[in-house]
Amino acid sequence: DAMVIQNPRYQVTQFGKPVTLSCSQTLNHNVMYWYQQKSSQAPKLLFHYYDKDFNNEADTPDNFQSRRPNTSFCFLDIRSPGLGDAAMYLCATSRDQEPGVDNEQFFGPGTRLTVL
Amino acid sequence: AQKITQTQPGMFVQEKEAVTLDCTYDTSDQSYGLFWYKQPSSGEMIFLIYQGSYDEQNATEGRYSLNFQKARKSANLVISASQLGDSAMYFCAMREGGAADKLIFGTGTRLQVFP
Repeated sequence: DAMVIQNPRYQVTQFGKPVTLSCSQTLNHNVMYWYQQKSSQAPKLLFHYYDKDFNNEADTPDNFQSRRPNTSFCFLDIRSPGLGDAAMYLCATSRDQEPGVDNEQFFGPGTRLTVL
Repeated sequence: AQKITQTQPGMFVQEKEAVTLDCTYDTSDQSYGLFWYKQPSSGEMIFLIYQGSYDEQNATEGRYSLNFQKARKSANLVISASQLGDSAMYFCAMREGGAADKLIFGTGTRLQVFP
């Protein structure tokens, strides 16, 4: 089945130790997104790729970086995790937006990050 | 700025009954899209239903229907014949204009279905 896969499902890191979360998709979608979701809150968009075109949200801290080496893979790098970065990180994909057509986003299962 | 409001932090419903989850939105765009997602405790966001601003009929998908009232800027989700597996967080979201389908999410409603 076509899907969005996130690894690992659970990640524990130490304060200040860099961590990388990965996302892959078999849907061949052009657009990939990274969201941060803290407990009992709505998902917050960090950035998205439209093909290789990177789009950062204005309030995303510099501590968060992303790479998309090809259509299928996208990585979220947290350079120096702080305690406040503990959250669920959700990857999502969608098709090209066509005029007059809305395409839903397909989400992966998420990676729950714990910072010690 | 676009905004989604979900005023019900939690809802309870008995199995087999119908329940309505509220969602209001604010936008100055003429063209927009509204989405509902379900998030079980496992964390994955599951797409449920979509309503376009120009759609004249309310969207339906199985037991899910959307009560779209454009003049009131509301897009309430109706779940009929609730099942225990419907217990989850439910998020209303709106597409933001631009080159890609950026979604703005509400704060969510936690639905508990009891036997």
